[in-house]
Amino acid sequence: EDQVTQSPEALRLQEGESSSLNCSYTVSGLRGLFWYRQDPGKGPEFLFTLYSAGEEKEKERLKATLTKKESFLHITAPKPEDSATYLCAVRSNDYKLSFGAGTTVTVRA
Amino acid sequence: GAVVSQHPSRVICKSGTSVKIECRSLDFQATTMFWYRQFPKQSLMLMATSNEGSKATYEQGVEKDKFLINHASLTLSTLTVTSAHPEDSSFYICSASGTGSPNQPQHFGDGTRLSIL
Repeated sequence: EDQVTQSPEALRLQEGESSSLNCSYTVSGLRGLFWYRQDPGKGPEFLFTLYSAGEEKEKERLKATLTKKESFLHITAPKPEDSATYLCAVRSNDYKLSFGAGTTVTVRA
Repeated sequence: GAVVSQHPSRVICKSGTSVKIECRSLDFQATTMFWYRQFPKQSLMLMATSNEGSKATYEQGVEKDKFLINHASLTLSTLTVTSAHPEDSSFYICSASGTGSPNQPQHFGDGTRLSIL
């Protein structure tokens, strides 16, 4: 069974204070690791897909990296508008997504 | 691009009522749509996968007679919660994948908050 574990559960940052979120996974045949952002009362918003170890993707202040066992989402110089819950999900051979419980990031001005 | 619209955004109704939720892909055709349920501070749990023109595939523990799914076109899937009870209260979210590579990301609607009194 595919498993996704995200840490920490919650992260409180000062504006400009860079940090990283972790997503550890076990999957039978990785067909993509996905990062989403979810705001309260909304559906997840797609951020990145990573397919193979060593791959990196960037979007504004966010950078995602992938190894064979985990992925990191780096937030550089965060702003209050980066406050959200960040979800990690893996897709295996059956093309279903298995989600982690998420990391809730709060950025204070 | 890749916009998924979900309607209604919020439903409050009495126990025993059936509730229908619509999920539409607005600017792409979706061969496959997914229905999830999310409890507060918990992960998204896949309920079922629906493919256009065929029966939905339900995850273990999800009652197919309770949660009826129809995917009649490449842009619309519906979830009907039949004879809803308070324990069915939750946040229901749909997602859709395009008709290209199966490795495409899923794009999500904004969810439906269902409250059964």
